[in-house]
Amino acid sequence: QVQLVESGGGVVQPGTSLRLSCAASGFTFSTYATHWVRQAPGKGPEWVAVISYDGSHIFYADSVKGRFTISRDNSKNTLYLQIDSLRGEDTAVYYCARDQLEWLLSYSMDVWGQGTTVTVSS
Amino acid sequence: QSALTQPASVSGSPGQSITISCTGTSSDVGGYDYVSWYQQHPGKAPKLMIYDVSNRPSGVSNRFSGSKSGNTASLTISGLQAEDEADYYCSSYTSTIPYVFGTGTKVTVL
Repeated sequence: QVQLVESGGGVVQPGTSLRLSCAASGFTFSTYATHWVRQAPGKGPEWVAVISYDGSHIFYADSVKGRFTISRDNSKNTLYLQIDSLRGEDTAVYYCARDQLEWLLSYSMDVWGQGTTVTVSS
Repeated sequence: QSALTQPASVSGSPGQSITISCTGTSSDVGGYDYVSWYQQHPGKAPKLMIYDVSNRPSGVSNRFSGSKSGNTASLTISGLQAEDEADYYCSSYTSTIPYVFGTGTKVTVL
């Protein structure tokens, strides 16, 4: 079945780096844009970044620009999020999500992973 | 870019209809027909319920409907059921960043 599975979260110290992964299965990963969305404890979702199906177009939320890097490896059906200089406010569940339309950005996300938790604490 | 504004909570009895509003500006909700709605149960990932203002993905009950007027979008749940109790979030394309979510609405079935 269509599935996204995130990994790589954990408890990390402020100032360190982390790379999250999202493994896709059950659909042609290389034809869909994919997103990272995070949700801090007790808060609503916050869109973080999106990468086009071929990696040629990338957009970030202002709050993460310069510290977060989204990338993908279509040969491995995997999406990544590199997070540098981690801060307390980065503590959240990080979800990857598939854009609804093939090839394009549709402005909605129809398949979500279960999330991976990142806790930034000293 | 500020989050879109939603009421913190909405409640209704089984069988009733409720409507959740999502207010933005002409730079997001009012300027584009790219409003989506997501349902989130505790501990679960969001689920897409409505896209492009009023379209339902395959498998979503027709009890869920969406609309927009000016800078405010709305999600209506008709024939309210116990399983509809969840948090609901709107989202919209914006002219500054691609996506912004709403503040969220907790729906309680009385």
